Amino acid sequence: EVQLVESGGGLVKPGGSLRLSCVASGFTFSRSIMNWVRQAPGKGLEWVSLITGDGNSIYHADSVKGRFTVSRDNANNSLYLQMNSLRAEDTAMYYCVSSFDYWGQGALVTVSS
Amino acid sequence: DIVMTQTPLSSPVTLGQPASISCRSSQSLVHSDGNTYLSWLQQRPGQPPRLLIYKTSNRFSGVPDRFSGSGAGTDFTLKISRVEAEDVGVYYCMQATQFPRTFGQGTKVEIE
Repeated sequence: EVQLVESGGGLVKPGGSLRLSCVASGFTFSRSIMNWVRQAPGKGLEWVSLITGDGNSIYHADSVKGRFTVSRDNANNSLYLQMNSLRAEDTAMYYCVSSFDYWGQGALVTVSS
Repeated sequence: DIVMTQTPLSSPVTLGQPASISCRSSQSLVHSDGNTYLSWLQQRPGQPPRLLIYKTSNRFSGVPDRFSGSGAGTDFTLKISRVEAEDVGVYYCMQATQFPRTFGQGTKVEIE
């Protein structure tokens, strides 16, 4: 059974940092393209970042470029999202997604003073 | 960026009746590899999204056959042949042909 479990969400002040983690199981993680997708409260879906299986290619949405960094550790089946210079508009549920076929339950990030 | 436009944004349906959602992209979704990376996702209330259809018309594992996808180029459709109570939720189309990946606004399906 495929499982994606996010952690690391929470409340952070504007300008602060947070690191999200996602642990994967049930599939060959090292061969899978992985994404982060977010959803602001009551809103639609927004793609954030993508990283290829070998970690050699990385893409970020313009809205987070220069502030967020996606990375992975294939030895530990883990995906990460380092979020710096957080803004109120980054408040959202962040989903770990494998090739858009399997989605985690999400980690809630709230940016507020 | 490719803009994905869904219609309608809200769809009241009767149990057992069909439903249809349209998705139009601002550019062709045909990739240079020949594939069309258009997917449909379902998000039930309080749940994460779930993949229903990939590459326009392929049902994902475990998806009931009352769901079907069709289309080409810039015009795509998701059809539910007979709506069941568990189909209530928001449906999104999504393109993975170009970066950034983009989603439609979502269509809310509810039972009338």
